[in-house]
Amino acid sequence: KAGVTQTPRYLIKTRGQQVTLSCSPISGHRSVSWYQQTPGQGLQFLFEYFSETQRNKGNFPGRFSGRQFSNSRSEMNVSTLELGDSALYLCASSSGGGAATEAFFGQGTRLTVV
Amino acid sequence: DQQVKQNSPSLSVQEGRISILNCDYTNSMFDYFLWYKKYPAEGPTFLISISSIKDKNEDGRFTVFLNKSAKHLSLHIVPSQPGDSAVYFCAASAIASSNTGKLIFGQGTTLQVKP
Repeated sequence: KAGVTQTPRYLIKTRGQQVTLSCSPISGHRSVSWYQQTPGQGLQFLFEYFSETQRNKGNFPGRFSGRQFSNSRSEMNVSTLELGDSALYLCASSSGGGAATEAFFGQGTRLTVV
Repeated sequence: DQQVKQNSPSLSVQEGRISILNCDYTNSMFDYFLWYKKYPAEGPTFLISISSIKDKNEDGRFTVFLNKSAKHLSLHIVPSQPGDSAVYFCAASAIASSNTGKLIFGQGTTLQVKP
């Protein structure tokens, strides 16, 4: 079974630009969550999508948005990039559905804003 | 407000001995807890989980203990191996409040197992 795939692995963007990151979950998983990892803040929850609907949202500004497609693939978009957005962005998939299940993470996308 | 805390940034143990990683939480709504291991430049890898209806869960060399009254959980690794050297994250979720997909992570503990 293929794992969670995130593309691209590395990205360098200029302040003020926008960026789109992609995540393909494990086959059959309907929940996709996004996390931001920075040295100072650790792993912080951005949002979660289940069956194309945003089900949970963390405390991030509106510049951070996402969506999920009918095949459960998800994209995350960050507009008007700031230097502080430089981080490792991780996607996790799980079967979801209200039961307690573990989340499986991708390798992440390393975003550097210059 | 840090709802999940791992107060020890690092831990060093000798190969073959027990590693004990600790985690405290403040939100009484949390009812599902997980441990993840992370190597540099990789995503976190799921290790073991425990529901709040249990106080212990074991999987091979890994055992997680949950003390609900103290809002404390710990991960025991016995025996520790050099390949266990990584950053370990504790995470919590409030399933009953429909926050299934939302995990709150601790800051992580770097474990070093010396040969």
